[in-house]
Amino acid sequence: GAVVSQHPSRVICKSGTSVKIECRSLDFQATTMFWYRQFPKKSLMLMATSNEGSKATYEQGVEKDKFLINHASLTLSTLTVTSAHPEDSSFYICSAYGTSGGTYNEQFFGPGTRLTVL
Amino acid sequence: AQTVTQSQPEMSVQEAETVTLSCTYDTSESDYYLFWYKQPPSRQMILVIRQEAYKQQNATENRFSVNFQKAAKSFSLKISDSQLGDAAMYFCAYRQGAQKLVFGQGTRLTINP
Repeated sequence: GAVVSQHPSRVICKSGTSVKIECRSLDFQATTMFWYRQFPKKSLMLMATSNEGSKATYEQGVEKDKFLINHASLTLSTLTVTSAHPEDSSFYICSAYGTSGGTYNEQFFGPGTRLTVL
Repeated sequence: AQTVTQSQPEMSVQEAETVTLSCTYDTSESDYYLFWYKQPPSRQMILVIRQEAYKQQNATENRFSVNFQKAAKSFSLKISDSQLGDAAMYFCAYRQGAQKLVFGQGTRLTINP
């Protein structure tokens, strides 16, 4: 099946620093990738949709200058949390939209990144 | 805008028994997809089952089956012969075409041995 990786799986940083999270589709090309944020015991909240080679589309209420998204290739999207603060601490999940085994198009999820800002 | 509602924050079932998780959704579209995802403690999202709205036949995947009622906009998940490994958060989700997934609030399922 399709595999999506995220790196790092965990990151702890000081307030005011920037953190980059990578999302890679390992065995398929993903024209669209999605970034979600999940608070404890809550559902996934879509932050933005990124299409390869174009600017990301952010959901209402998400600060595009704080959460920078780059989708430079069909297999890589990055989320950079700029000037991170403790309230940015959360679990971030990416998904990549593509075809698994030629059956049907689907969103495949990465394992997530736990960000802790001190 | 499309919305997905899971009215059961928590459910529990005895091992080997059957449990049904509820989901309703709201959309004005006729062509869409519905999903159930499982999120175990590892927090990896796992696709359990998917249903295309144009298909009248309910999807099944081994012990997992759905009851898709398009007119009622209802999409419940039945887990038969519950196993300890089924314990997780379950999310119902809606998608139209290649667009974003809209998730419900989730149901935490506990399996009692």
